[in-house]
Amino acid sequence: EADIYQTPRYLVIGTGKKITLECSQTMGHDKMYWYQQDPGMELHLIHYSYGVNSTEKGDLSSESTVSRIRTEHFPLTLESARPSHTSQYLCASSGHGAFGQPQHFGDGTRLSIL
Amino acid sequence: LAKTTQPISMDSYEGQEVNITCSHNNIATNDYITWYQQFPSQGPRFIIQGYKTKVTNEVASLFIPADRKSSTLSLPRVSLSDTAVYYCLVGDLSSGSARQLTFGSGTQLTVLP
Repeated sequence: EADIYQTPRYLVIGTGKKITLECSQTMGHDKMYWYQQDPGMELHLIHYSYGVNSTEKGDLSSESTVSRIRTEHFPLTLESARPSHTSQYLCASSGHGAFGQPQHFGDGTRLSIL
Repeated sequence: LAKTTQPISMDSYEGQEVNITCSHNNIATNDYITWYQQFPSQGPRFIIQGYKTKVTNEVASLFIPADRKSSTLSLPRVSLSDTAVYYCLVGDLSSGSARQLTFGSGTQLTVLP
C-alpha cells in the first residue's frame, strides 16, 4: 500500500482564518499533486510539483498556495479562508518518470468554512 | 487535452462481470489510459493502466480497440465491496506537465445483492 498521509481529515473553521493542510509521503516520490473535489463531482487539479522548490498551478484556479521544501512534504495554505473554499482536498504523489505514472492518493481533508 | 466521457452510473449484481466504457475521441498518440477506483471519504486508488489492446492484472482487465477512441474496464465477478466511483484518466506519460492529466466525472457503480 502507498504511504501518503493527509492531516487533518476534517476541519471546520471560521471565515478569515489561515489554514494549512498537510500532506506527507514516505515513498520518495518526486511528483506531488493537490486536487479539489466537491461531493459527487470530479477531481480538479489545483497545484502540482515536479520536485523540491518546483511548483505549478493546475487547471482549476485556486486562491491557495503550496510549497515544496522537502521531497516528502507538500503543504497547501489558504491565507484567509472563505465559505467558497469549502470542499475536499486530496493530495497525491507519483514516482520517477513522467506525470502520467499512477498516482497514490491520501484520504483527503474535508474542509468546511463557516 | 483529451476529454473523457463515461456513463454517470451503472448497476450490477454480485458475481456478474461489469464493463465500464470510457470515450476519449481526441486521444493523442502519446496518451495512456488509466483507471482509478474511489470509495466515499477516500482518495482514488489506481486500478490499471494501458496503451493499446488488452492489459490484465489481478483485479481487472482493460480493453482498448485499435483506434483507441474508447476503452473498457472489465471487472470480473463483482462483489458488494466493488461499489464505488470509477474514473477514466487519459494523459501523456511522457508529458512534462501534470496539466495534461484530466479526470473525467466518473461512473458510480452500484453492486446489488
